[in-house]
Amino acid sequence: QKEVEQDPGPLSVPEGAIVSLNCTYSNSAFQYFMWYRQYSRKGPELLMYTYSSGNKEDGRFTAQVDKSSKYISLFIRDSQPSDSATYLCAAIKAAGNKLTFGGGTRVLVKP
Amino acid sequence: GAVVSQHPSWVICKSGTSVKIECRSLDFQATTMFWYRQFPKQSLMLMATSNEGSKATYEQGVEKDKFLINHASLTLSTLTVTSAHPEDSSFYICSARSDRGPTEAFFGQGTRLTVV
Repeated sequence: QKEVEQDPGPLSVPEGAIVSLNCTYSNSAFQYFMWYRQYSRKGPELLMYTYSSGNKEDGRFTAQVDKSSKYISLFIRDSQPSDSATYLCAAIKAAGNKLTFGGGTRVLVKP
Repeated sequence: GAVVSQHPSWVICKSGTSVKIECRSLDFQATTMFWYRQFPKQSLMLMATSNEGSKATYEQGVEKDKFLINHASLTLSTLTVTSAHPEDSSFYICSARSDRGPTEAFFGQGTRLTVV
């Protein structure tokens, strides 16, 4: 079993819809949870990160972490075609060195 | 976010030759650099972790003599794929992290290597 699991998708939504992405993890030592966006043939770009449980909002993006259920989510409001990309969740321990990635979810926002 | 420059963005080489990929942190000092490999439609696979001035730590199953990593300064790390074979064709991505915290890791643009 992978430490971070993510549905590969693809997830197709119409423009303007809410995109809902999620991951589950198994290692209780993970304290930081990140979401990256990766366009085709590019490196990942950090969207936002959350420490421990809670919510964090940045513009159209909201990240949620529920440590009790080991569940992390990313919501994208008012989705745009430019949001079409692969979204990777990742986790790391507080004093950790290495990120553990989920497999990535491919998102397609149709105009 | 901070800028990490990876070069080249793509390279084609003949079997048996070696290829060097550079990763530079442009506006911060990278105490740790990571090298990943990514196959199509798959996630990033960590190959090795390197700290400036010390030998890289390779993940299980990664041949250290084939994938040579040098982290000679706080702003530069290189990955050399030696005696490349077609099965080494892949997308290689570096990540640089400062000492400000575990979330301060930024990725390069990636290098697409094709071995013919």
